[in-house]
Amino acid sequence: ETGVTQTPRHLVMGMTNKKSLKCEQHLGHNAMYWYKQSAKKPLELMFVYNFKEQTENNSVPSRFSPECPNSSHLFLHLHTLQPEDSALYLCASSLTGTRNNEQFFGPGTRLTVL
Amino acid sequence: EDQVTQSPEALRLQEGESSSLNCSYTVSGLRGLFWYRQDPGKGPEFLFTLYSAGEEKEKERLKATLTKKESFLHITAPKPEDSATYLCAVQEGASGGSNYKLTFGKGTLLTVNP
Repeated sequence: ETGVTQTPRHLVMGMTNKKSLKCEQHLGHNAMYWYKQSAKKPLELMFVYNFKEQTENNSVPSRFSPECPNSSHLFLHLHTLQPEDSALYLCASSLTGTRNNEQFFGPGTRLTVL
Repeated sequence: EDQVTQSPEALRLQEGESSSLNCSYTVSGLRGLFWYRQDPGKGPEFLFTLYSAGEEKEKERLKATLTKKESFLHITAPKPEDSATYLCAVQEGASGGSNYKLTFGKGTLLTVNP
């Protein structure tokens, strides 16, 4: 596996379900990010982890719960979601502390909440 | 107020017809400006980072330039495979700081007809 991988690629869930999204980066980066991408809207940053520590929570509702056990893995636990949470969820990683801190993205998980 | 504004929202070109995409930004201190390409159903693919006014970077048919208020992505003699959404993002803060947040524009949907 290379780059940033995300599973599952597609997820359909009811409003009462609990599910988790998984992200793994194989780039040796130390920072990981969750973004939400909805139609006609810019990418919205949700969470940032730097060396496993959460450094940003962009006023995300508590029904989204991130977990970062190490610098290579990132999870987004979902529970009691609303239909408006349907979107493409993107994970990214970067190497901080250098000038070249471009973020590299995974393919995303397309989430549909019924 | 939007910090990053991309124009046009959509652009349709004939193969070989050169054009430019615009990204204007309003941030107090620019750490970096990033261009990404996104194909339908996929995550954004990193293209360029620009750090200071006057800087230019090229990759195949693409050339990115930066001024103090905006960036242009010039596409020379485009081909149908260049069809995608092009995203611009800015990162604020002085070099060495801990702010890794990217603020994205809504993107420009480019369609190149054969």
